[in-house]
Amino acid sequence: NAGVTQTPKFQVLKTGQSMTLQCAQDMNHEYMSWYRQDPGMGLRLIHYSVGAGITDQGEVPNGYNVSRSTTEDFPLRLLSAAPSQTSVYFCASSYLRSGNEQYFGPGTRLTVT
Amino acid sequence: GENVEQHPSTLSVQEGDSAVIKCTYSDSASNYFPWYKQELGKRPQLIIDIRSNVGEKKDQRIAVTLNKTAKHFSLHITETQPEDSAVYFCAAEPSNDYKLSFGAGTTVTVRA
Repeated sequence: NAGVTQTPKFQVLKTGQSMTLQCAQDMNHEYMSWYRQDPGMGLRLIHYSVGAGITDQGEVPNGYNVSRSTTEDFPLRLLSAAPSQTSVYFCASSYLRSGNEQYFGPGTRLTVT
Repeated sequence: GENVEQHPSTLSVQEGDSAVIKCTYSDSASNYFPWYKQELGKRPQLIIDIRSNVGEKKDQRIAVTLNKTAKHFSLHITETQPEDSAVYFCAAEPSNDYKLSFGAGTTVTVRA
């Protein structure tokens, strides 16, 4: 049982480049989400999904797209990277019940130059 | 939406002393309040949580209290040890919303 996995661990992009951060979970969780972590700002929700085919915006969705074609996978796409998107990105998943523990992936450290 | 404020942003304590972190929330419909610990370079992990029908919960050296009337909750760590050094995040989840709103985090340093 691998839990929540993310790839890559580190990535450097140039401004304007696009890329996809991968996230997968093997716990059959319905709920998956993406957060970004910046110093002094906690974890901010980018996008989330309550099941395959269903996605919605979080607190800071601009510049990011997501899709959920399967229960297991929830990729995050950066359409045209900007320096403001330099951050650590965490994927998380949980059962779709109020008050359930969210399990986080190991994170991806992204630098945009 | 929910707004969670967390204080202090940094906390330095002597080994063996207690540490207290306080959070306030804005949405009276929130009913689930987890605390996550993040060690340097690692992922956040749940250490304790409390639901709105409970005023206090304890797990060994950590405890959480909740005051729904005042909309604040706190994390208490007793007999701190070097391995308690980490960033701690509080969060709140509105009823049936599944989305967590996190506080900005508290960096706790335990001095030997």
